[in-house]
Amino acid sequence: QQQVKQSPQSLIVQKGGISIINCAYENTAFDYFPWYQQFPGKGPALLIAIRPDVSEKKEGRFTISFNKSAKQFSLHIMDSQPGDSATYFCALTGGGSNYKLTFGKGTLLTVNP
Amino acid sequence: DAGITQSPRHKVTETGTPVTLRCHQTENHRYMYWYRQDPGHGLRLIHYSYGVKDTDKGEVSDGYSVSRSKTEDFLLTLESATSSQTSVYFCAISESDYGYTFGSGTRLTVV
Repeated sequence: QQQVKQSPQSLIVQKGGISIINCAYENTAFDYFPWYQQFPGKGPALLIAIRPDVSEKKEGRFTISFNKSAKQFSLHIMDSQPGDSATYFCALTGGGSNYKLTFGKGTLLTVNP
Repeated sequence: DAGITQSPRHKVTETGTPVTLRCHQTENHRYMYWYRQDPGHGLRLIHYSYGVKDTDKGEVSDGYSVSRSKTEDFLLTLESATSSQTSVYFCAISESDYGYTFGSGTRLTVV
């Protein structure tokens, strides 16, 4: 079964705009919520991550917002740039799972110049 | 990618043949994982290892086996390749829940 639902599947944003990608999960046992960025032909790379004891984490133009009661977390990319065009995956792990990550299906972000 | 290499990068094989993909790390990380990536499905866990000779199944393990005889190497074998196993395969390593480091992937085509 799918434990994390990611939306939208694709997103087109103008340069300078805000990109928002959402994920919702079902099980409350998770305790680590990373986001990965993947460029064509490359493996995913860790972008930013959050734990459920905080509601927001910001690193540069990238912010994760976390709503534990709603079991949702989102990635916000401020001042989006063409170089941000990539596929973004949310993921989660926890509960003594040998650090196995369960991934969302991904969002293809295109930032137009 | 730092400390993790996958081989081969590309492979075309025929249906019914066995195929082995290799993941090699120089980071001495305990945990290693094999994922497959397919359009519309994201990344799905095939098998993982939590130590030498310690492996377990992921969500899409049917038709795949793994072995880890050394810390640095994690092998994924398709016992009898099928067209449904055409995919991009990624290996990842981890030492904690802080995050994975992924390899560059192997693009496998089964004809």
